[in-house]
Amino acid sequence: KAGVTQTPRYLIKTRGQQVTLSCSPISGHRSVSWYQQTPGQGLQFLFEYFSETQRNKGNFPGRFSGRQFSNSRSEMNVSTLELGDSALYLCASSSTYSGSDYEQYFGPGTRLTVT
Amino acid sequence: QKEVEQNSGPLSVPEGAIASLNCTYSDRGSQSFFWYRQYSGKSPELIMSIYSNGDKEDGRFTAQLNKASQYVSLLIRDSQPSDSATYLCAVATGGSYIPTFGRGTSLIVHP
Repeated sequence: KAGVTQTPRYLIKTRGQQVTLSCSPISGHRSVSWYQQTPGQGLQFLFEYFSETQRNKGNFPGRFSGRQFSNSRSEMNVSTLELGDSALYLCASSSTYSGSDYEQYFGPGTRLTVT
Repeated sequence: QKEVEQNSGPLSVPEGAIASLNCTYSDRGSQSFFWYRQYSGKSPELIMSIYSNGDKEDGRFTAQLNKASQYVSLLIRDSQPSDSATYLCAVATGGSYIPTFGRGTSLIVHP
């Protein structure tokens, strides 16, 4: 079974621009989560989608948004980019609806550099 | 605020030794515990999950959970240089199945 895929793998953007990242979960997985990873803050949760609905949201400003499509593919968008948005953005999928056995599998990530 | 604490390391062990990685958490209601391995420049890879007190073994890896003391550990037996990576501990409470990640412990296995 193919793993989680993310595109693009690398991006360089200028401050003030916007960016859209894409994630395709493992086949059959309906829950998709997004994380930001930086050396200073570690792995931080952005939001989680299930059946096209945002179920959970982390503590990030409204510039960060996402959506999920009927085929479970997900996109996240960052508007008005800031230098501090430079990070590795990770998508993770899970086959579990919720509960104690919610195991997540990560994609390779998108490395975003804001200049 | 749910907190997951790990020693950043690096933890350096010789090849063939047992590497012991520890993680403590603040929320007594935590029910799910995960260990991820992350090689430099790569994404986290799930290696172990544990949900009840005690030990869980999978190959060279053993996860140990002690809810009373609020810690979870990962033992790697017969450590190999290929085990050199950052190990992330992740903890989820019953109130939210979304895990909180620790900052990770860097493990170096030297020949």
